[in-house]
Amino acid sequence: DAGVIQSPRHEVTEMGQEVTLRCKPISGHNSLFWYRQTMMRGLELLIYFNNNVPIDDSGMPEDRFSAKMPNASFSTLKIQPSEPRDSAVYFCASGLGALYNEQFFGPGTRLTVL
Amino acid sequence: AQKVTQAQTEISVVEKEDVTLDCVYETRDTTYYLFWYKQPPSGELVFLIRRNSFDEQNEISGRYSWNFQKSTSSFNFTITASQVVDSAVYFCALSEVEGGANNLFFGTGTRLTVIP
Repeated sequence: DAGVIQSPRHEVTEMGQEVTLRCKPISGHNSLFWYRQTMMRGLELLIYFNNNVPIDDSGMPEDRFSAKMPNASFSTLKIQPSEPRDSAVYFCASGLGALYNEQFFGPGTRLTVL
Repeated sequence: AQKVTQAQTEISVVEKEDVTLDCVYETRDTTYYLFWYKQPPSGELVFLIRRNSFDEQNEISGRYSWNFQKSTSSFNFTITASQVVDSAVYFCALSEVEGGANNLFFGTGTRLTVIP
């Protein structure tokens, strides 16, 4: 079975550009999570969805960040406009049920904003 | 204050040595969950274990074992007879669930290097 799929794996963009990160969760999972990992701040939960509905977005750093889950098999994390401090590895994870259950992580998208 | 503290930033051991990774957490909840995840060089995090706050039994899975002690708010992870493949960054995490909280806090990770 395929794991969590994220695209692109690497993204380099210039400040001010819009960036869209994509995630396909494991089939049958009903929870999806977006994380950001940086050297300075470590691993942070940005937002999570349950049954395609955003449950908690308190981790989203600014209004420049938005996430959607239009259906059970696809989610996007958008940054508009991007800034150099957004450079990080963004992980998507999926699971069954609540936040405190086991999560399966994707390989991450390494974002560099110049 | 940090919810999850992993004081050991980096550890190096020689293959076949035992190694313990420390994790100390802070919460006022009586119901919570603790986790360990492994992040190998490939990048994606891999789930290792979850414990709830009512289960203080130590757990062993092959060369891995976990010691959960509520009295000291610790959830330490021991690898016995370490192998080169154990080289990774290991994260401890805490999930608080009371009062409708949807919190998941990760520690800063411990980078383990196993030297052949």
